[in-house]
Amino acid sequence: ILNVEQSPQSLHVQEGDSTNFTCSFPSSNFYALHWYRWETAKSPEALFVMTLNGDEKKKGRISATLNTKEGYSYLYIKGSQPEDSATYLCAFMSGYNKLIFGAGTRLAVHP
Amino acid sequence: DAGVTQSPTHLIKTRGQQVTLRCSPKSGHDTVSWYQQALGQGPQFIFQYYEEEERQRGNFPDRFSGHQFPNYSSELNVNALLLGDSALYLCASSLGRQLNTEAFFGQGTRLTVV
Repeated sequence: ILNVEQSPQSLHVQEGDSTNFTCSFPSSNFYALHWYRWETAKSPEALFVMTLNGDEKKKGRISATLNTKEGYSYLYIKGSQPEDSATYLCAFMSGYNKLIFGAGTRLAVHP
Repeated sequence: DAGVTQSPTHLIKTRGQQVTLRCSPKSGHDTVSWYQQALGQGPQFIFQYYEEEERQRGNFPDRFSGHQFPNYSSELNVNALLLGDSALYLCASSLGRQLNTEAFFGQGTRLTVV
């Protein structure tokens, strides 16, 4: 059974704080690792698709790293803003775009 | 460019009934995947359709079935509803021949079984 673990489950930070989350996934049969941001009452929105060991991706204040050999990825948010409040999901792709999701990290950024 | 659209947005059904959920993929996408998200969990893969065929299936019983039409839209059918089928059902579209590309999600259908 393929399992994707995310930590922490939830996080409360102050505006301006930097934060990071962890995603652990199987290190075998790896195709890709996806990160999604899911705001309340909206659709999950892709942040990054990462495929190669050592990949680093950046979009504005958000960045992610990937270690496929040990099976983990980190998502970093620099200088958190209230609009960053959302659930951040990671998903392991085992083939043919089938995504296996973690339970997510719920981030609340307080002004 | 319309994204992924799902209908209905909310639905209440009685235990034992049958339900059909619908999904229109993002323009240009040919692959549709369905996910179930129960409270407190991440989305769980139900199945995926490509070229009108079920290409992959997750650990869901045969009560869950689907269909993909020539225009790539898709339906998810659930028979003999159980209380435990209450969840948010998400549809995601992607390009079937391109691995490792992002999936685009709809806003989901909230199904409540009473």
